[in-house]
Amino acid sequence: QSALTQPASVSGSPGQSITISCTGTSSDVGGYNYVSWYQHHPGKAPKLMIYDVSKRPSGVADRFSGSKSGNTASLTISGLQAEDEADYYCCSYAGGITVIFGGGTKLTVL
Amino acid sequence: EVQLVESGGVLVQRGGSLRLSCAASGFTFSSYTVHWVRQAPGKGLEYVSSITGNGDTTYYASSVKGRFTISRDNSKNTLYLQMGSLRAEDTAVYHCARDAAYVKFDYWGQGTLVTVSS
Repeated sequence: QSALTQPASVSGSPGQSITISCTGTSSDVGGYNYVSWYQHHPGKAPKLMIYDVSKRPSGVADRFSGSKSGNTASLTISGLQAEDEADYYCCSYAGGITVIFGGGTKLTVL
Repeated sequence: EVQLVESGGVLVQRGGSLRLSCAASGFTFSSYTVHWVRQAPGKGLEYVSSITGNGDTTYYASSVKGRFTISRDNSKNTLYLQMGSLRAEDTAVYHCARDAAYVKFDYWGQGTLVTVSS
């Protein structure tokens, strides 16, 4: 299986909103409502930010939101803050216990 | 408190073997599917392998299939990854992660570094 497609980088100024896309196929993103998003700061464990396409775990700011249309899922971060600067990865269920990750997007807060 | 702690990462020669461990605590280990995910230097997260709670079902990425074996010992609350025929491209930090349900990886370990020398 090929990795899900994410933009390599996105950037925004503090207070702005950005959206990161994650494109797969009908066998993964488009076939199930099971897409999750992870924030990863180098040297640390990845952190779950969104699951089941649009649900937020407790403790994650409501500035983070997720959505899906067809084979593309999206993560939107509103009111950008400096601490949001990190790598973001999408992940999709693909049947059975199979998992597929996106290539990752580096978010730069200008 | 849920914790996942990886160990076993070392410098190993190309073609060699290695076993990674992931010690789990703070939850009923046998109730969860767990995964190995790796990150090579300068690259993104890459799925490696999965095993269901009772160990009956496993799955591997095509890049490691036939060379790596995932297993678990629920009596010891420990996940394993037996790695063989190691290649330079297997050099990475290996994380274990708990799957709460359908790619909801709610807890991750900090990772253990495997370096394959060529």
